[in-house]
Amino acid sequence: AQSVAQPEDQVNVAEGNPLTVKCTYSVSGNPYLFWYVQYPNRGLQFLLKYITGDNLVKGSYGFEAEFNKSQTSFHLKKPSALVSDSALYFCAVMGRRALTFGSGTRLQVQP
Amino acid sequence: GAGVSQSPSNKVTEKGKDVELRCDPISGHTALYWYRQSLGQGLEFLIYFQGNSAPDKSGLPSDRFSAERTGGSVSTLTIQRTQQEDSAVYLCASSPQRIYGYTFGSGTRLTVV
Repeated sequence: AQSVAQPEDQVNVAEGNPLTVKCTYSVSGNPYLFWYVQYPNRGLQFLLKYITGDNLVKGSYGFEAEFNKSQTSFHLKKPSALVSDSALYFCAVMGRRALTFGSGTRLQVQP
Repeated sequence: GAGVSQSPSNKVTEKGKDVELRCDPISGHTALYWYRQSLGQGLEFLIYFQGNSAPDKSGLPSDRFSAERTGGSVSTLTIQRTQQEDSAVYLCASSPQRIYGYTFGSGTRLTVV
């Protein structure tokens, strides 16, 4: 069965600094990988996905993610964090039937 | 519609009562999913509908939970004899194909008192 691990419950970063939110996955076959963001009292919003092609994927709001097959990782990155990026971030992998989500990482960007 | 619509947005019910949660997916999306998000937790898969195929109910936590999807569109998640541990946000999502990922609704926050 597929699984996703987000090893950090919370990531703190100063505004203007680069940020990384970590994700590793386990799945048989080629992975379909996704990042979603959840703001307070809202549903999940799609950020970006990796299906095939370039290992560096660019998405919404200036976020990008790097697919690393040898390390089975799909870390989310942004060169310069904004206070408004503070939210809960979920990594997910597509399984046979549905997306399996990680436990989420809370990103806190301090002014 | 433009997005996935869920109703009600909030529901408070007494323990032991039945509740129905509604999801109206994006028009043309053949796949529909229900997930549950407990306070501070990740997303727990509940059920999956794909077109006219039989639903995948493997994530439903007990036989008190059921769901149907009428006409390949609107879906209703029913919880019978609600318990306090059912309190959570119930999220619905739809998708045209697996590789596109999902579009989520804003969820229904269920509180069982």
